[in-house]
Amino acid sequence: KNQVEQSPQSLIILEGKNCTLQCNYTVSPFSNLRWYKQDTGRGPVSLTIMTFSENTKSNGRYTATLDADTKQSSLHITASQLSDSASYICVVTFSGGYNKLIFGAGTRLAVHP
Amino acid sequence: DGGITQSPKYLFRKEGQNVTLSCEQNLNHDAMYWYRQDPGQGLRLIYYSQIVNDFQKGDIAEGYSVSREKKESFPLTVTSAQKNPTAFYLCASRQLQGRGDIQYFGAGTRLSVL
Repeated sequence: KNQVEQSPQSLIILEGKNCTLQCNYTVSPFSNLRWYKQDTGRGPVSLTIMTFSENTKSNGRYTATLDADTKQSSLHITASQLSDSASYICVVTFSGGYNKLIFGAGTRLAVHP
Repeated sequence: DGGITQSPKYLFRKEGQNVTLSCEQNLNHDAMYWYRQDPGQGLRLIYYSQIVNDFQKGDIAEGYSVSREKKESFPLTVTSAQKNPTAFYLCASRQLQGRGDIQYFGAGTRLSVL
């Protein structure tokens, strides 16, 4: 079954600290993996997108990694800010059909001052 | 929100009533999607459309209907057959050709049952 599992479910960190969010997937075949940021009550916004041949992709203080062999991805946030408080969603594209997106349940991050 | 407008932001449905959620995009994207988001779950696909006048069921289409009469518009109707409609509904669009392959989302509509 094509699934995307994220951990932890929720995380609290202090402003200025780093954190890493995890994503494990069983989607096969897959064409790319994305990370989205979703503020409360808003739609998700794309942070990074990586194909299966890419190992890492950065977007400012956000760095995503991908290990296609172990089917794991991580999102590392450096020097966290209060505005980083949001849900972070891992999304894998299943390329076996119409390029269906398989969504993880997200990790809810709270950055405290 | 990437040129996708959803309205209304909040919607209340009475039992037995049909309600329609609006989604308009000015990105000239070919494909449009409707997702449902429930707490603690990933987004689930309700319907999608890759071309005008054509649409396909997603994973949870029962109790919902859509139309795609114009490229810019993809309204979703939540019918009385949907017994548990309370959720956050997200519309998205994507360009099918070219680089990027990013889905852009609207700001969402929160539907509640009175």
